[in-house]
Amino acid sequence: EPEVTQTPSHQVTQMGQEVILRCVPISNHLYFYWYRQILGQKVEFLVSFYNNEISEKSEIFDDQFSVERPDGSNFTLKIRSTKLEDSAMYFCASSRTSYEQYFGPGTRLTVT
Amino acid sequence: AQSVTQLDSHVSVSEGTPVLLRCNYSSSYSPSLFWYVQHPNKGLQLLLKYTSAATLVKGINGFEAEFKKSETSFHLTKPSAHMSDAAEYFCVVSDRSGGSYIPTFGRGTSLIVHP
Repeated sequence: EPEVTQTPSHQVTQMGQEVILRCVPISNHLYFYWYRQILGQKVEFLVSFYNNEISEKSEIFDDQFSVERPDGSNFTLKIRSTKLEDSAMYFCASSRTSYEQYFGPGTRLTVT
Repeated sequence: AQSVTQLDSHVSVSEGTPVLLRCNYSSSYSPSLFWYVQHPNKGLQLLLKYTSAATLVKGINGFEAEFKKSETSFHLTKPSAHMSDAAEYFCVVSDRSGGSYIPTFGRGTSLIVHP
């Protein structure tokens, strides 16, 4: 069964450094998403991406964040200058329609 | 605006007994509702979804949920818990606010299954 994959599973970085989180969505899916879950808190929507552009973004998704689909298979989330409060689990998801999303296993980002 | 409340942060049951995970929602539009399960170190897996068809929705692994508009509830049930059901469960609401389907997650309910 096709799955969404994410790499790395755990990323440790120093404050102020740039990180890129990678996702490989399911191959025939058209919509792509990033979510984050700070430890002990809710899963929060960050951004959705369709037709090579951002379709929706939340207040969390500020200028420090960017997304890209560089090669037709990967979907990346970049954080330009990480802050301590960016430490969280980041989930990628993809869907064929705008309804049912398939989630990856997540990347745990730890900012020190 | 949409919101979802999972009434219990933890639910503990014995193997073989029924499971009830409660979820209440608010939505200005006709919502779509989902339950996801997350096992340790795994991604979120869709258990079932309601999208304005039958109000009783059957999902994977014997789970089902009933959409009750009058009670604004979408509780998840299973007749008989299995040890492998131990996981975190998320209720999610999504309506067409502003023309999009951005989902809102509940805080999650941790299901503990005792032998």
